[in-house]
Amino acid sequence: LAKTTQPISMDSYEGQEVNITCSHNNIATNDYITWYQQFPSQGPRFIIQGYKTKVTNEVASLFIPADRKSSTLSLPRVSLSDTAVYYCLVGGPNDYKLSFGAGTTVTVRA
Amino acid sequence: KAGVTQTPRYLIKTRGQQVTLSCSPISGHRSVSWYQQTPGQGLQFLFEYFSETQRNKGNFPGRFSGRQFSNSRSEMNVSTLELGDSALYLCASSQWTGGDTEAFFGQGTRLTVV
Repeated sequence: LAKTTQPISMDSYEGQEVNITCSHNNIATNDYITWYQQFPSQGPRFIIQGYKTKVTNEVASLFIPADRKSSTLSLPRVSLSDTAVYYCLVGGPNDYKLSFGAGTTVTVRA
Repeated sequence: KAGVTQTPRYLIKTRGQQVTLSCSPISGHRSVSWYQQTPGQGLQFLFEYFSETQRNKGNFPGRFSGRQFSNSRSEMNVSTLELGDSALYLCASSQWTGGDTEAFFGQGTRLTVV
């Protein structure tokens, strides 16, 4: 599995856009990039997944450059309830486990 | 539809005892994975089952075991509990296995070993 590197923590204020960049230099051709969100004492929750270019859903956008060696999760207009740990994962169809790194703790302040 | 259900939610056990945790996946999901989460080690993969077969196992001692039943429900067992086994145990289910698949996690079982 490709290893990922992301910032340990980020601070933001309500209403701002938060962008978290994840590095995955050794990503394989058939690997996808997936982001999960986790609140304390709860299981992680799928946010978004992409392979290349840009993916957008109702909660976030995922930007993936052409070389796919990094990706950026964008959370528009965050609120206090977006305070959580965000994990970037990389894996392909034959990966039987999810490898979670330390994640990025995002703290949103009023 | 119902999400992933883990029981019990909380558990307190004494060192040396054994414990069994249960996970009911989302209906139709055939893959069930287990993870251990601690403040020091983060989320660590324990094992994955697909159609009753264990296909991958993480780096945990043999005291940790699991199984999956024909209805996809899964159990994990920890024998001879140690203080360090105190953790949040999470179960995830998905339709199939793979890093390109969305995994659905349960609320977890908080195990405290005293």
